[in-house]
Amino acid sequence: GEEVAQTPKHLVRGEGQKAKLYCAPIKGHSYVFWYQQVLKNEFKFLISFQNENVFDETGMPKERFSAKCLPNSPCSLEIQATKLEDSAVYFCASSQLVREGGYTFGSGTRLTVV
Amino acid sequence: SQQGEEDPQALSIQEGENATMNCSYKTSINNLQWYRQNSGRGLVHLILIRSNEREKHSGRLRVTLDTSKKSSSLLITASRAADTASYFCATDAYRDDKIIFGKGTRLHILP
Repeated sequence: GEEVAQTPKHLVRGEGQKAKLYCAPIKGHSYVFWYQQVLKNEFKFLISFQNENVFDETGMPKERFSAKCLPNSPCSLEIQATKLEDSAVYFCASSQLVREGGYTFGSGTRLTVV
Repeated sequence: SQQGEEDPQALSIQEGENATMNCSYKTSINNLQWYRQNSGRGLVHLILIRSNEREKHSGRLRVTLDTSKKSSSLLITASRAADTASYFCATDAYRDDKIIFGKGTRLHILP
């Protein structure tokens, strides 16, 4: 069946290194969302896209985090100069509608900063 | 800011019993959703209830919504070992364009 594909599954970076995570949403879904889950607890909203356009970026730490969704490419979330507290599982989700339906989540990328 | 708060944080019950989890939220909502997360996996959407609905069923799941109390409950009947997971409520706040998750309830079904 259709799924949201996230790569890589695991990523280890030394403190200060760059990390880049990828997400391929379900075809036909206009919205993409990124969430951060620390220690199996609550999901913190980071950013959302409507097609290639940033829809809501109120959750993004401005200094080191950036994200893109370009046509015909997986979406990406990049963390410059990673810090220990960036260690988390990063989930991507996609949806046809922003309010009316459930989101389909990927399996996540586990980022460990050492 | 966090919108939903699940209660209890953790719940252990015997297989075959019913499990009830509660969620409270703070602001007016368009809808409320429940998700399940198995260990090490992403969230799976279970059910969505709109703000003008009071109760919804899906298989062994029953969700209620009380907008006057800003609360919802998820009932899983005749629990099975495969129901062991964390359950999260998520609210789509009125005039907001994202869903906000609570901290979740960890459900453990004992054989």
